Amino acid sequence: AQKVTQAQTEISVVEKEDVTLDCVYETRDTTYYLFWYKQPPSGELVFLIRRNSFDEQNEISGRYSWNFQKSTSSFNFTITASQVVDSAVYFCALRTISSFSGGYQKVTFGTGTKLQVIP
Amino acid sequence: DAGITQSPRHKVTETGTPVTLRCHQTENHRYMYWYRQDPGHGLRLIHYSYGVKDTDKGEVSDGYSVSRSKTEDFLLTLESATSSQTSVYFCATSGTMEKLFFGSGTQLSVL
Repeated sequence: AQKVTQAQTEISVVEKEDVTLDCVYETRDTTYYLFWYKQPPSGELVFLIRRNSFDEQNEISGRYSWNFQKSTSSFNFTITASQVVDSAVYFCALRTISSFSGGYQKVTFGTGTKLQVIP
Repeated sequence: DAGITQSPRHKVTETGTPVTLRCHQTENHRYMYWYRQDPGHGLRLIHYSYGVKDTDKGEVSDGYSVSRSKTEDFLLTLESATSSQTSVYFCATSGTMEKLFFGSGTQLSVL
């Protein structure tokens, strides 16, 4: 079966601090995709990034960066110089291809990390 | 924005009544998903579809059924609603290996 664990339930930081959100996943598939989504207080789900299992290069997009490590099954997300607008719930998700892990094209989300950035 | 419409947006119903939520897409996406969101549980997969008439269970499928008779529509039915099914329900669609596009959600209250 596949599983995504976001152990941090809530995090509070002061504006301009850096913050890292952790994501650990489990799957028996060798090919899979990982995602991060943001859910601001307004409730919509906003896509942030997609990463496939063959690409372990870290990615940086403005103040956001992602560290993908297959050896530790982790896909962590860092916000540099946090801002109040970053306050949201952040979800990590795993998409598997085969039915080997229990579902063809199944997409499993973690429980989310609520980030509060204090001005 | 992806054309995903959930209906109704809000619904209040009584325990024991059947309820059907609809997800309609105009993106011709093959894959469609139903999630429920509850505090402390994140997004939990109820059922999903990988093609017309092809569906599979998610992690919290008990008490729910789905149907997909055409590409555009994915229906979620609560056969006999219970208070534990009070939740926000999200539909999502996707092409192969692409990101998920989400609907705006349906707030369901079962009294």
